[in-house]
Amino acid sequence: DVKVTQSSRYLVKRTGEKVFLECVQDMDHENMFWYRQDPGLGLRLIYFSYDVKMKEKGDIPEGYSVSREKKERFSLILESASTNQTSMYLCASSLLTAWYEQYFGPGTRLTVT
Amino acid sequence: KNQVEQSPQSLIILEGKNCTLQCNYTVSPFSNLRWYKQDTGRGPVSLTIMTFSENTKSNGRYTATLDADTKQSSLHITASQLSDSASYICVVRNDYKLSFGAGTTVTVRA
Repeated sequence: DVKVTQSSRYLVKRTGEKVFLECVQDMDHENMFWYRQDPGLGLRLIYFSYDVKMKEKGDIPEGYSVSREKKERFSLILESASTNQTSMYLCASSLLTAWYEQYFGPGTRLTVT
Repeated sequence: KNQVEQSPQSLIILEGKNCTLQCNYTVSPFSNLRWYKQDTGRGPVSLTIMTFSENTKSNGRYTATLDADTKQSSLHITASQLSDSASYICVVRNDYKLSFGAGTTVTVRA
């Protein structure tokens, strides 16, 4: 079974704080993705990575950065958290050639106050 | 712009009853359509995937239909159970991108 884990299920941070969300997958997948999920909106892609140290912007990268130092780990970074970044964040992974077959983690619900 | 619209936004049904969720899309060119189930506090899990040539596909009490001509899909839940309470997300793929619907939240009451 593919397993994608995220470091925190719930997180509360203050405006201006630097926030790290961690994602780990155990299936040797090349691709990893970060999405945010908001009520009334579909999942929106923030960033993805197809290899170590490689990253590509998704649809809404503004205010976020990512880091992939190891194949199994993909981090989402909020350099200076703002209240409009309060959301559910979902990580996913897939094989390189089957980018559409994505396996999701349980999500991190981030609240910025 | 590729879009996926789901309806209704939410619904409540009694245990044992059936319900149908709708998904309309404008994604082009079409590769496939997938329905996910997302339990509260969990990530989405794939239920079914349908390609252009498939009209109907079942997974237990879940039956998905696809009309590629009208760009519509439905997910039918038969004899609902309390464990069916979840959000159901329609995802349409083209050559290079996944487009996600906002989901339908289903609440099954005893």
